[in-house]
Amino acid sequence: NAGVTQTPKFRVLKTGQSMTLLCAQDMNHEYMYWYRQDPGMGLRLIHYSVGEGTTAKGEVPDGYNVSRLKKQNFLLGLESAAPSQTSVYFCASRVGWTSSYEQYFGPGTRLTVT
Amino acid sequence: AQSVTQLGSHVSVSEGALVLLRCNYSSSVPPYLFWYVQYPNQGLQLLLKYTTGATLVKGINGFEAEFKKSETSFHLTKPSAHMSDAAEYFCAVTANSGGYQKVTFGTGTKLQVIP
Repeated sequence: NAGVTQTPKFRVLKTGQSMTLLCAQDMNHEYMYWYRQDPGMGLRLIHYSVGEGTTAKGEVPDGYNVSRLKKQNFLLGLESAAPSQTSVYFCASRVGWTSSYEQYFGPGTRLTVT
Repeated sequence: AQSVTQLGSHVSVSEGALVLLRCNYSSSVPPYLFWYVQYPNQGLQLLLKYTTGATLVKGINGFEAEFKKSETSFHLTKPSAHMSDAAEYFCAVTANSGGYQKVTFGTGTKLQVIP
């Protein structure tokens, strides 16, 4: 099992450019999440999905969009990147029916917007 | 509503000394509590969790934590620090409160181990 994988690992964008981050999991998990991690702020939830075809906003959704067309994949899009979106992005997945199960995290994508 | 407070964004201990990382939570329903560890340039991985039952839970790498409902705490300890324990540690809380079960993370504590 690969667990949770993220593509790409690093990316540098210019302000106004767009990109898509891909998250894939092979554990048949229902729930998937996108977080951003900034120094001193812990993890902040951007968007999440409770199943194929469903998505919802988290704490900091502005400037991001997501899609979950297949159960194993969760895509995070930046339509017009801004320097404030410079961060490390983590995807996570979890078994869905009870929150007593832990999240499994990917290795992260380090994004710099200049 | 739920929240997590981790006291101390940086903690330094000598190799072989006790490690104590503090976590206090608030939750309006019985919580599930987690400690995750993040090594440099990696994602988070589970150290241990409390769901129900025994309040002292043991995790990987010799860590343990005790759920104290009266103190709303879930502090992480390890009797003897190793150099390999240097990492950032996150406490998290969630609960089965109906509908989407939000996970709230603390802001993290970076552990430095001094040789």
